[in-house]
Amino acid sequence: AQSVTQLDSQVPVFEEAPVELRCNYSSSVSVYLFWYVQYPNQGLQLLLKYLSGSTLVKGINGFEAEFNKSQTSFHLRKPSVHISDTAEYFCAVGAGTALIFGKGTTLSVSS
Amino acid sequence: NAGVMQNPRHLVRRRGQEARLRCSPMKGHSHVYWYRQLPEEGLKFMVYLQKENIIDESGMPKERFSAEFPKEGPSILRIQQVVRGDSAAYFCASSRETGGEQYFGPGTRLTVT
Repeated sequence: AQSVTQLDSQVPVFEEAPVELRCNYSSSVSVYLFWYVQYPNQGLQLLLKYLSGSTLVKGINGFEAEFNKSQTSFHLRKPSVHISDTAEYFCAVGAGTALIFGKGTTLSVSS
Repeated sequence: NAGVMQNPRHLVRRRGQEARLRCSPMKGHSHVYWYRQLPEEGLKFMVYLQKENIIDESGMPKERFSAEFPKEGPSILRIQQVVRGDSAAYFCASSRETGGEQYFGPGTRLTVT
């Protein structure tokens, strides 16, 4: 069975600072990894995904994530955040049909 | 190309009533997934359907919940005799093929009073 742990429930940062949102997963099989963003009262939008190949994945809005198989991690990073990045971020793992989501990390960007 | 459509966006039901949530997948997508998001929680998988077939319902509560995806029309998630604990956001996603990228709708927020 797969599981996802997002290590921080809330991450407050100042505008233009770098940010890292941490995600660890467990799985006995090869998996696909995803980061989604959810703005208030909206659905989920895919930020980026890892299926295979290069372990550094670039996504939309300047985000990137690195797949680390030995540490079973898929941390999300952005070198300089904006106020508009304030949202809920979900890490998810898929190994078939259903996606397994972490509990989410609330990123709060202030000026 | 319209995205995944869900309606209604907000639904209020009294305890004991029925709730019907609708999901129209993206054009060209024949795979539909339903997820539930409880307050302060991530999304939990409920059911995976293809046209006229339930493929995986391992996340569905055993009672009161059912889902369908008919040959024509949207997928329906039906909750009978709702209770306060059913209050949540219900999200639908669709994909073009099995294991393909899932695109999410805006969700239906169900409130049971």
